[in-house]
Amino acid sequence: EAGVVQSPRYKIIEKKQPVAFWCNPISGHNTLYWYRQNLGQGPELLIRYENEEAVDDSQLPKDRFSAERLKGVDSTLKIQPAELGDSAVYLCASSSRDRGPGELFFGEGSRLTVL
Amino acid sequence: AQTVTQSQPEMSVQEAETVTLSCTYDTSESDYYLFWYKQPPSRQMILVIRQEAYKQQNATENRFSVNFQKAAKSFSLKISDSQLGDAAMYFCASLQGGSEKLVFGKGTKLTVNP
Repeated sequence: EAGVVQSPRYKIIEKKQPVAFWCNPISGHNTLYWYRQNLGQGPELLIRYENEEAVDDSQLPKDRFSAERLKGVDSTLKIQPAELGDSAVYLCASSSRDRGPGELFFGEGSRLTVL
Repeated sequence: AQTVTQSQPEMSVQEAETVTLSCTYDTSESDYYLFWYKQPPSRQMILVIRQEAYKQQNATENRFSVNFQKAAKSFSLKISDSQLGDAAMYFCASLQGGSEKLVFGKGTKLTVNP
C-alpha cells in the first residue's frame, strides 16, 4: 500500500509570509494527525481528525495556524503569518482502528525554515 | 498528564552487539500503552514495538525486545545483534487507553559502528 505522502518536503520563507503543507494519508485510514517536531525534540500533536471532523485541536495555535480535511481524505495545514519560532518539521500521520492503538503511519515530513 | 522521559540523548553500539535504550514515563491511568518508534535519517518514523500495560509479558519483535517495569514506570528497548540499518532516532511514547494522543519523549540518537 502507498504510504502517507506529504508536500513540500522543504520550504524556506521569510517571517510574516504564509505557508501551507499538504498531506495525503493511507487509503482507508480515517484518523489523520498533524504533529510538529522541533529540533532535538519528539513530535507534538497539533490536531487530530476523525474523517473530516477535528476532534482534538487543543494544541493548535489558532491565531496563526489553521487546518482542514475536506471530504475526510487529504488535509492541509496552514500558517499565516509565519514566525521564526515556527521553524520545525511538520509531520502528518494516519491510522486505522484495525491496526490497534497507537500504530501511526507517518509521512516523511515537511521541513519549514522561517528566516 | 502523561510524560515520557528519555535520559540518553545519544548512544552508540558496535555492529552485532546489544544495546539498551532507556525510557521512563508517568501516568495516572491504569489503562495505557507504551511504544518505541524509530525515525531513520530523512525517512518516515515507524513503529518498532508496542506494549500493553495490562500484559506482564514483555513484548518482542525479532531482534527488538522491551523490559517493562510497571512499578518503576520504566520501559527500555533492547536491540540485539545490532545492524547498520538500526541507526536512527528512537522515540519512546505513551498512549492512555481510550485516547488517540501519543506523547513522545525527546528521543535517543543511536549510532551503529561497523
